[in-house]
Amino acid sequence: QLQLQESGPGLVKPSETLSLICTASGDSITDTNYYWGWIRQPPGKGLEWIGSIYYGGGTYYHPSLRSRVTVFVDKSKNQLSLRLTSVTAADTAVYYCARRAPNSPYNYWGQGTLVTVSS
Amino acid sequence: EIVLTQSPDFQSVAAKETVTITCRASQNIGSSLHWFQQKPGQSPELLIKFGSQSFSGVPSRFSGSGSGTDFTLTINSLEAEDAATYFCHQTSSLPQTFGQGTKVEIK
Repeated sequence: QLQLQESGPGLVKPSETLSLICTASGDSITDTNYYWGWIRQPPGKGLEWIGSIYYGGGTYYHPSLRSRVTVFVDKSKNQLSLRLTSVTAADTAVYYCARRAPNSPYNYWGQGTLVTVSS
Repeated sequence: EIVLTQSPDFQSVAAKETVTITCRASQNIGSSLHWFQQKPGQSPELLIKFGSQSFSGVPSRFSGSGSGTDFTLTINSLEAEDAATYFCHQTSSLPQTFGQGTKVEIK
């Protein structure tokens, strides 16, 4: 059974870089049968897809975040990573990592981690 | 970007009644529309995929229908544990998008 666990600092200062990792157990991040992605949810609001990676196949980002976001894999640690630069208060959200098969919805989600952008 | 518009935003329904939530896409997305349930403090859980296919382990009172631009999630015989926010989600084209959510309260 796949389990995903997000981790990272809960507080980031404006203009700095947000860095999160997602540790997978029960499956390999390099499994080419799946896409691994990040989705976020501002407090009390809806869900926003950030981006995803298909190991060996490429990365895909939301156009509104493309200039600031990087999603990558550390295969030695079986971890998915998210990096978001130049953060503002609008980036305050619960960040989820998730997995899906091609052309399918995300059916495995981590529990999420709250990141607050504040000085 | 495909915009998904859900209605209503909020619904208060008595137990054992039926809930109907609609999701309208700004362009034709075929059957690439999925429904999630999210309870407070929890991550979203997949209920219905590709418009009408029930995800493994989901109670039979949840059903979906629709294709193209108009989709419906129906919850028959509402139970107390169904109090949650429901989101539709499209995977037809990037960026993937979600509806704004419909909060269902048990009267």
